[in-house]
Amino acid sequence: GAGVSQSPRYKVTKRGQDVALRCDPISGHVSLYWYRQALGQGPEFLTYFNYEAQQDKSGLPNDRFSAERPEGSISTLTIQRTEQRDSAMYRCASSLDSTGLTEAFFGQGTRLTVV
Amino acid sequence: KQEVTQIPAALSVPEGENLVLNCSFTDSAIYNLQWFRQDPGKGLTSLLLIQSSQREQTSGRLNASLDKSSGRSTLYIAASQPGDSATYLCAVKYDDYKLSFGAGTTVTVRA
Repeated sequence: GAGVSQSPRYKVTKRGQDVALRCDPISGHVSLYWYRQALGQGPEFLTYFNYEAQQDKSGLPNDRFSAERPEGSISTLTIQRTEQRDSAMYRCASSLDSTGLTEAFFGQGTRLTVV
Repeated sequence: KQEVTQIPAALSVPEGENLVLNCSFTDSAIYNLQWFRQDPGKGLTSLLLIQSSQREQTSGRLNASLDKSSGRSTLYIAASQPGDSATYLCAVKYDDYKLSFGAGTTVTVRA
């Protein structure tokens, strides 16, 4: 696609429910990242994929959070047993390669609200 | 952990004035630095990418400088317009994949 696409754009869920957030990166982009952004703050790193391999998950807050990218393209971030503190904007980004030199492009984000 | 600070947190200027946004970071061993624009309810739009070997990058009315030794970058926006009103985020890549963001500077350009 032309840009990074995230779905849904908005998600309201009840506490205790599981949610799955989807990211479709720019076609051909090797690297994919998930970030979380609280109101008034910059995005914070959650996890990183190089092709289908999850290279770094050090930013995932706890074991309720998981992510996958099984075919090296679309990625899903799953939050189990959601809590109110999980409410935030979840952002996905992709970049062309894994050299560290290429630009990161972000999607429009998924606004998650846990009630 | 790389700390990225953006000052000021908010800025209001009359239309036509030049904007100067500051970003500082604690570790000079960076891959690159990227400036983003964030509009309410929208994604992050990449404005400029400066590699660690570069001193500045320019795109239209935007110019970004990088001084690794002092851990600073500055984004200049010439002849500001109301459409430039947004939050501007600075992000430093300090290894080969992880971006560390500042909290942003919210800019209001008054018509």
